[in-house]
Amino acid sequence: IAGITQAPTSQILAAGRRMTLRCTQDMRHNAMYWYRQDLGLGLRLIHYSNTAGTTGKGEVPDGYSVSRANTDDFPLTLASAVPSQTSVYFCASSDGTSNEQFFGPGTRLTVL
Amino acid sequence: GQNIDQPTEMTATEGAIVQINCTYQTSGFNGLFWYQQHAGEAPTFLSYNVLDGLEEKGRFSSFLSRSKGYSYLLLKELQMKDSASYLCAVTDSNYQLIWGAGTKLIIKP
Repeated sequence: IAGITQAPTSQILAAGRRMTLRCTQDMRHNAMYWYRQDLGLGLRLIHYSNTAGTTGKGEVPDGYSVSRANTDDFPLTLASAVPSQTSVYFCASSDGTSNEQFFGPGTRLTVL
Repeated sequence: GQNIDQPTEMTATEGAIVQINCTYQTSGFNGLFWYQQHAGEAPTFLSYNVLDGLEEKGRFSSFLSRSKGYSYLLLKELQMKDSASYLCAVTDSNYQLIWGAGTKLIIKP
């Protein structure tokens, strides 16, 4: 089934630990995005990639890094997690023509 | 700065009509999206407006006025399953999506 998958579904993490959230799409979309969603703040863009091999910073990039080695995968890494990174993380992709974004199911991350 | 405003919460009755407004101030405009998000789930696409006017899709319609920086989403014949958050998002001059905080719609029997 075409779409976007994210892993893990949820995670509890100790502060200071390193964590990678995985995102894979099989729609051959060029553009991919990572958002965090916090109550009352809506979706905020962390990092994006317009095509394989390129990445860019969004609104709230500090503390996060991404890579885009191929079209399908776009992992998000927290080098040293802090409690303020407790959030729901959504990965999304678009084909770059209509700019409609398709979202993965999300990862609920709690940093203690 | 860039800003999108939506009401935080609205309540409506099953079978009725509700209009959710969205106003925006962005650096450039390349289209406006409405997404639906049920609690605990991912946002899903509802509508896209790039020209002024009304776009109708079944029970849902979306309106855009670019000169006023204004859009609304109209939901008719409300059903309990329409209880969700509705997110307004604008594509700016860099083709990045700027998101509103969302409107939580509560449907009562």
